[in-house]
Amino acid sequence: AQTVTQSQPEMSVQEAETVTLSCTYDTSENNYYLFWYKQPPSRQMILVIRQEAYKQQNATENRFSVNFQKAAKSFSLKISDSQLGDTAMYFCAFMIYTGTASKLTFGTGTRLQVTL
Amino acid sequence: GAVVSQHPSRVICKSGTSVKIECRSLDFQATTMFWYRQFPKQSLMLMATSNEGSKATYEQGVEKDKFLINHASLTLSTLTVTSAHPEDSSFYICSALSARTVNNEQFFGPGTRLTVL
Repeated sequence: AQTVTQSQPEMSVQEAETVTLSCTYDTSENNYYLFWYKQPPSRQMILVIRQEAYKQQNATENRFSVNFQKAAKSFSLKISDSQLGDTAMYFCAFMIYTGTASKLTFGTGTRLQVTL
Repeated sequence: GAVVSQHPSRVICKSGTSVKIECRSLDFQATTMFWYRQFPKQSLMLMATSNEGSKATYEQGVEKDKFLINHASLTLSTLTVTSAHPEDSSFYICSALSARTVNNEQFFGPGTRLTVL
């Protein structure tokens, strides 16, 4: 079974600063996807960034980037130039690629508060 | 594109009654839909996976007779909570997978808050 661990229940960052959210996972599979989802107070799940395990290059989406360390099974999210709108729950998620519909396994989440 | 809706957004019912929650993919055909449950300040827990025209696959510990899932068309899946009790109060979220989606991205609905009195 796959597990996803987020060891930081809550984090706080000042506006315009940079913050890194940690995520580790455990799997014996070689082909998989990793995701970071954002859940703002509206509760709508929003995909922030995705990483394919076979790609060595770290994914980047504007102010969001990941540090993917496959051997260490680590997948951290860096948010640069933090904005008040980044305040939300952030979930790390794992999916095995099977060629058919695959299930997402979520971590426990990190609550990020961006302050003035 | 890739919008998923849920109806109702919130529902309050009496203990013992049944409640139906709809999940619709508005601009794509969803070959597979997923149902999640989220308790306050907790993560999303997968309840079941449903494929159009076939029986749903339930996760371990989820009572399939209590949480009835019907995926009758490529754009609609329903979750019926039968004989609801206060412990079924939770936030229910669906997601949908398009056959044309790359990288298996799931598109999430806005969720339904169920309160059982």
